[in-house]
Amino acid sequence: KQEVTQIPAALSVPEGENLVLNCSFTDSAIYNLQWFRQDPGKGLTSLLLIQSSQREQTSGRLNASLDKSSGRSTLYIAASQPGDSATYLCAVRDNYGQNFVFGPGTRLSVLP
Amino acid sequence: DAGVIQSPRHEVTEMGQEVTLRCKPISGHDYLFWYRQTMMRGLELLIYFNNNVPIDDSGMPEDRFSAKMPNASFSTLKIQPSEPRDSAVYFCASSSARVGRHYNEQFFGPGTRLTVL
Repeated sequence: KQEVTQIPAALSVPEGENLVLNCSFTDSAIYNLQWFRQDPGKGLTSLLLIQSSQREQTSGRLNASLDKSSGRSTLYIAASQPGDSATYLCAVRDNYGQNFVFGPGTRLSVLP
Repeated sequence: DAGVIQSPRHEVTEMGQEVTLRCKPISGHDYLFWYRQTMMRGLELLIYFNNNVPIDDSGMPEDRFSAKMPNASFSTLKIQPSEPRDSAVYFCASSSARVGRHYNEQFFGPGTRLTVL
């Protein structure tokens, strides 16, 4: 059974720092991996989707990488801003269907 | 497109009452998912549909929960009878398996916050 973990659980950084969020999964037979952000009391906003054949995806200040063999993905946020404060979740879709397994999330606070 | 639409946004009900949550997926999407989010268990997939057909309902907690998708633009999640432990935020999401920029990318609705007293 696929399990997804995220480290750290919470992170507080000053504005302007570059930072890395980590996502690990136990079964490397994945179809794709998706990163989301969730603001308090809100739904999930899709940030990046990496297909299993890809190594990374970029969108603006965000870069997500995927290493299937080691069961890891990282989300890199460049030049962090207070508006980046949110919970970031990764979700892994397995090869057997459309089942997405979510990690517990990393709660990010960017201090002005 | 307006995105995934859910209603109601908030629901407060008493134990034993029937609760119906509604979802309108993004037009053209052929997959629809129902999730539940709690502090203790995080986000859990309850059920998903492909072309209006339920594919996997193994995440549905018990027989009190049921979901339907009568057409491509509407789905319901029903709890009958509701219990306090059902209190959570329920999300609906949709995706498309058509090859393209958003191939199999899930888009979430704003959620329904359910409180069962």
